[in-house]
Amino acid sequence: NAGVTQTPKFQVLKTGQSMTLQCAQDMNHEYMSWYRQDPGMGLRLIHYSVGAGITDQGEVPNGYNVSRSTTEDFPLRLLSAAPSQTSVYFCASSYSGQAGGTEAFFGQGTRLTVV
Amino acid sequence: AQKITQTQPGMFVQEKEAVTLDCTYDTSDQSYGLFWYKQPSSGEMIFLIYQGSYDEQNATEGRYSLNFQKARKSANLVISASQLGDSAMYFCAMREGGSQGNLIFGKGTKLSVKP
Repeated sequence: NAGVTQTPKFQVLKTGQSMTLQCAQDMNHEYMSWYRQDPGMGLRLIHYSVGAGITDQGEVPNGYNVSRSTTEDFPLRLLSAAPSQTSVYFCASSYSGQAGGTEAFFGQGTRLTVV
Repeated sequence: AQKITQTQPGMFVQEKEAVTLDCTYDTSDQSYGLFWYKQPSSGEMIFLIYQGSYDEQNATEGRYSLNFQKARKSANLVISASQLGDSAMYFCAMREGGSQGNLIFGKGTKLSVKP
C-alpha cells in the first residue's frame, strides 16, 4: 500500500518558471490538500479538495493552481515561480471532511528552491 | 488570533524521563478534532494521536498520551520514557467541524532528547 506519493522530492527552479508537483493517493480518500512548510511557520494550507471536480483555496493560495480530475490525483501547479515560494510542500489525504478521528496521511514532501 | 498555539519553540528532556508539549487551541465549534504529528529530521509527517472534542477519556497510544482539558482549550502531548528517537519537531493540529477536513497547524515544538 503506497499511501500518498509525491514527486519530485527535490526541485530547483528559476524565477518565472512553472512546474507541477504531483500527488497521488491509493486509499480512495475523498479529501486531499496541499500545505507549505516554512521555518517557524508550521504548515499552512494552500489548496484543498473534497472530491473529484471540487477544489477550494486555503490560507496561502496566491501563485498556485490545483485541479482534481480523479479521486487519486491532486497536482499543484506553480504558475510563475518566485523566491518566496521556496519551501517544503506536503500533500495530504484523508477520508471525509468531517471532524472525526480520521488522521491525514502525508506524502514525503517536496523541497522546492526558487533561485 | 492563532487557532493553534504552541508556546515552546524548543525543549530538552533527559532520556527515559517524561515530557509534556503544550498546545492550546481556539474554536467556537462544538465538534472538532485535535491531532499531534511528529516530524523527524528526515522530514516526513508521522501521525501520533487523536482526540475528539466529545471524547470523555484522554487518548493514549503507547508512550503517547493527550492531556485534554476542554474548558481550558488545551491538548498537551505527554511522552513517557523519552527515547533518543523522540528527538523531532512536534506539531499540534486541529480540524474544526465546519472546515471540510482542513487541518490547522501550530508552529511546532522542537524536542531534543539528551542521553
